[in-house]
Amino acid sequence: DVKVTQSSRYLVKRTGEKVFLECVQDMDHENMFWYRQDPGLGLRLIYFSYDVKMKEKGDIPEGYSVSREKKERFSLILESASTNQTSMYLCASSSDSGTQYFGPGTRLTVL
Amino acid sequence: QKEVEQDPGPLSVPEGAIVSLNCTYSNSAFQYFMWYRQYSRKGPELLMYTYSSGNKEDGRFTAQVDKSSKYISLFIRDSQPSDSATYLCAMTDSGAGSYQLTFGKGTKLSVIP
Repeated sequence: DVKVTQSSRYLVKRTGEKVFLECVQDMDHENMFWYRQDPGLGLRLIYFSYDVKMKEKGDIPEGYSVSREKKERFSLILESASTNQTSMYLCASSSDSGTQYFGPGTRLTVL
Repeated sequence: QKEVEQDPGPLSVPEGAIVSLNCTYSNSAFQYFMWYRQYSRKGPELLMYTYSSGNKEDGRFTAQVDKSSKYISLFIRDSQPSDSATYLCAMTDSGAGSYQLTFGKGTKLSVIP
């Protein structure tokens, strides 16, 4: 079974803090993705990576950065958290088949 | 025009009913189609995966793709309260090297005992 894990299920941070969200997959997948999910807006792609040290902007990259130093790990960084970044963050990975497998999600609240 | 349209619901049905969930899309290049199920406060899990047109059955679930109409469906037979979740359709073409998926916004389903 494909397993994608995320470092935290729930996180509460203050405005201006630097936030790290970690994602690890155990299936040797090349592609990894970060989404945020908000009511009425669906899943929105923030960043994705198709190889180690490679990254591509998604639809809403502003205010975020990513890091992929190892194939199995993809990190999302909020340099200075703001209240409008309160959301559910979902990590996914995929092989060349295109099917994405999701982690359990991190519900981030920024106060 | 949005690439993928999906009725958000909510859809409420009695236990045992047949459920039909649908998505329409505009990009004729889409060839791979998926359905995900997402329980409240959890990540989406892959339910069905189909390539091109036709039907695929897995237990109580049937996925149907009609590429000529740009329309996909998920049927759930003998629906159970445990089927209560949000269902997301997703699709992609074969040319995207990074295999990005285009998602519908999801339909929320409640199966009432």
